[in-house]
Amino acid sequence: GAVVSQHPSWVICKSGTSVKIECRSLDFQATTMFWYRQFPKQSLMLMATSNEGSKATYEQGVEKDKFLINHASLTLSTLTVTSAHPEDSSFYICSATPGQGSYEQYFGPGTRLTVT
Amino acid sequence: GDSVTQMEGPVTLSEEACLTINCTYTATGYPSLFWYVQYPGEGLQLLLKATKADDKGSNKGFEATYRKETTSFHLEKGSVQVSDSAVYFCALSRGGKLIFGQGTELSVKP
Repeated sequence: GAVVSQHPSWVICKSGTSVKIECRSLDFQATTMFWYRQFPKQSLMLMATSNEGSKATYEQGVEKDKFLINHASLTLSTLTVTSAHPEDSSFYICSATPGQGSYEQYFGPGTRLTVT
Repeated sequence: GDSVTQMEGPVTLSEEACLTINCTYTATGYPSLFWYVQYPGEGLQLLLKATKADDKGSNKGFEATYRKETTSFHLEKGSVQVSDSAVYFCALSRGGKLIFGQGTELSVKP
């Protein structure tokens, strides 16, 4: 149980275009989803926290107009990287928590974004 | 602010060797502490956790003890296997959010 999927697993896009990454909780309802960014050989950095039906809360230094997060249902959150640039190339990971007293986060396998 | 520091990798061991990956934290109060493991091509998985001082988390032969006096949560295993090869992340929880260390890559050779 507690499986989280991400789609796509990898994507290449041209500079200036936008790309959407989906995060789904497959067998539980996720009241809260998190989006992380991971650079090679480095830690996961929390970008934002999203609760179903409300606006995402972004961490300091993360541009909310560039990284659009939507959590429209209890099983789906999306991250859209708008007007992507090469410096946005990274590994993006989502996690989900069922809430209701449980704060354990279940992680997706990640999405590798390369902007050319 | 809160932070987690792990020993740098990569760590290369022979099968059946002992493993210790050091983890120290800086935080106010007593956060919950976690070890996550990331196998190649997969997402992070919770390996073990401890929610209060002196708690010992254990799973799959791995152990870690929450030491408030040294603000540490070192990961240990008495005999590693090739299948333990992965990246290990130490983390603390603050207000439902996780703060990760930089990760330590472990490679176990047959």
